[in-house]
Amino acid sequence: QSALTQPPSASGSPGQSVTISCTGTSSDVGVYNHVSWYQQHPGKAPKLMIYEVSKRPSGVPDRFSGSKSGNTVSLTVSGLQAEDEADYYCCSYVGTTPYVFGTGTTVTVL
Amino acid sequence: QVQLVQSGADVKKPGASVKVSCTASGYTFTGYYMHWVRQTPGQGLEWMAWINPNGGGTKYAQKFQGRITVTRDTSITTAYMELSGLRSDDTAVYFCAREGDSGGTDWYAFDIWGQGTMLTVSS
Repeated sequence: QSALTQPPSASGSPGQSVTISCTGTSSDVGVYNHVSWYQQHPGKAPKLMIYEVSKRPSGVPDRFSGSKSGNTVSLTVSGLQAEDEADYYCCSYVGTTPYVFGTGTTVTVL
Repeated sequence: QVQLVQSGADVKKPGASVKVSCTASGYTFTGYYMHWVRQTPGQGLEWMAWINPNGGGTKYAQKFQGRITVTRDTSITTAYMELSGLRSDDTAVYFCAREGDSGGTDWYAFDIWGQGTMLTVSS
């Protein structure tokens, strides 16, 4: 099972929006809605931001939203803030494997 | 509060084994699956295994089959990940992570993470 494909980097100015894509195949993202997103600051553990494509855990700001179209899921961060600068990883349940992560995207707040 | 506390950093020689612990507190240990994920230097995240603390059932990534053993001790709410036949490319930060659940509905996501355990494999 190969890693899901994410762009290496994305950026935006404070207050703007940035969208990160995560592309899989019809065997993982395309067939399951069990996709999650994680934020990771340097030297820290990942933090769950989105699960089941678009659900937010308690405490995650509603500036973070998720969506899915075909074999691609996306994370949108609206109203960018300095503290949103971090690495972001998608993760999909794929049944037998059973989990595969994305390659990761570094978000820079300009 | 809900937290996972892992054992400290370790240094091993190639061919050796390592056992990392993950102690849970603040929730019912047997009520949530526990996963192990690793992150190699400068690289992304890689799922390794899960254990169901209620019964001890396990599932391993094919890549680690034969080298990894995940166990738990419910009396001390601790999960363990043992990796044998260590190689230099096993140098990584190893995380335990709880699988989220609400009202019996699985989140298929990891909602609580340990702080990570840095393992260095070097001769």
